[in-house]
Amino acid sequence: SQELEQSPQSLIVQEGKNLTINCTSSKTLYGLYWYKQKYGEGLIFLMMLQKGGEEKSHEKITAKLDEKKQQSSLHITASQPSHAGIYLCGAGLTGSARQLTFGSGTQLTVLP
Amino acid sequence: NAGVTQTPKFQVLKTGQSMTLQCAQDMNHNSMYWYRQDPGMGLRLIYYSASEGTTDKGEVPNGYNVSRLNKREFSLRLESAAPSQTSVYFCASNRNWDSSYEQYFGPGTRLTVT
Repeated sequence: SQELEQSPQSLIVQEGKNLTINCTSSKTLYGLYWYKQKYGEGLIFLMMLQKGGEEKSHEKITAKLDEKKQQSSLHITASQPSHAGIYLCGAGLTGSARQLTFGSGTQLTVLP
Repeated sequence: NAGVTQTPKFQVLKTGQSMTLQCAQDMNHNSMYWYRQDPGMGLRLIYYSASEGTTDKGEVPNGYNVSRLNKREFSLRLESAAPSQTSVYFCASNRNWDSSYEQYFGPGTRLTVT
């Protein structure tokens, strides 16, 4: 969806390198969700951010939501082949009906 | 607790054929959703059901119909399949929290229309 821009579209990194994926909107984000998808599988919930300035970490993955609640970043430290997959950000852009709008995804490849 | 389940996992249809994709959740969630995923397009909402007894169109509803059979089940029907409906279909559900949009996803149905 153009309402939620994700960058880059694809990323190839060497194992051990750090990387960042961005998710940007011109609208206020009512909840920002990061999901990971492996080929042929469903979406796995990673993290949820709600408050401006919020930052969460799980193992080597850190997600942040900026103060204006219009941009989020997902940072992976010391990447591993197990981090490979498609990363999707989803956000509530409307105040009702609990609809999520998704970015187009970032395809991450980690070379051993 | 199986979460969100979908059937079938794979399906091949010929143009003009009809079929129903099934989705069920066992988390007592109020809201359920159908998305399609196409390369470079991310996930796009087809239909959703905010609560049992209600359904509404999402971003790309044309060519589809839905039924919220009960609180657990939400089906997606293709009356006359077209090659443009070749896609991966995901069902999702969430609780009706006041400030949370967290959605739980099924494993997906990979549909090919020839």
